[in-house]
Amino acid sequence: AQTVTQSQPEMSVQEAETVTLSCTYDTSESDYYLFWYKQPPSRQMILVIRQEAYKQQNATENRFSVNFQKAAKSFSLKISDSQLGDAAMYFCAYRTSYGGSQGNLIFGKGTKLSVKP
Amino acid sequence: ETGVTQTPRHLVMGMTNKKSLKCEQHLGHNAMYWYKQSAKKPLELMFVYSLEERVENNSVPSRFSPECPNSSHLFLHLHTLQPEDSALYLCASSQSLRGAGEQYFGPGTRLTVT
Repeated sequence: AQTVTQSQPEMSVQEAETVTLSCTYDTSESDYYLFWYKQPPSRQMILVIRQEAYKQQNATENRFSVNFQKAAKSFSLKISDSQLGDAAMYFCAYRTSYGGSQGNLIFGKGTKLSVKP
Repeated sequence: ETGVTQTPRHLVMGMTNKKSLKCEQHLGHNAMYWYKQSAKKPLELMFVYSLEERVENNSVPSRFSPECPNSSHLFLHLHTLQPEDSALYLCASSQSLRGAGEQYFGPGTRLTVT
């Protein structure tokens, strides 16, 4: 079975600086998808960024980028120019490409990010 | 109203009560999900519904009963719950069960069982 591990329960960053959140996963599959979701306090969870495993190029979305290391099964999230609104729980998630009951998201435990003004 | 909505947002119930959580998605998606979010634990998938397939997580106790009358609505019926069932219950939807499609989440129902 696939597992997702986020080893940093809490992280802190100074406003305008850069922070990297770690995520590792375990799978025997070669084709899958990886996601980072953000859950602000008392607000809805939203997708930050996604990566298809077959793509070598790291995904980027404005200030958010990933470092996808397939061989190492690592998928870290880098937030540049951190803003106060980035404070939230961040969840790393894995999804097999096969669909059906196996195609559901498997989440890590999350990393709580605080942004200091 | 857009996105995924959930009602009620907060619910307090006794162990002998029967209540239902409601989820509605306005995105034209074909798949809907119930998750349980407890402190310091990963999100736990409870149930999945789609036009093509229905999937249940076999580890979900029978005191939780899902219902999906159509592709836009999803219910979670609760009866004789235990205090350890207190959690945030999240509903989500996606276009399908396959591919890299995003899951859209509702705001959740904060459930407290007394």
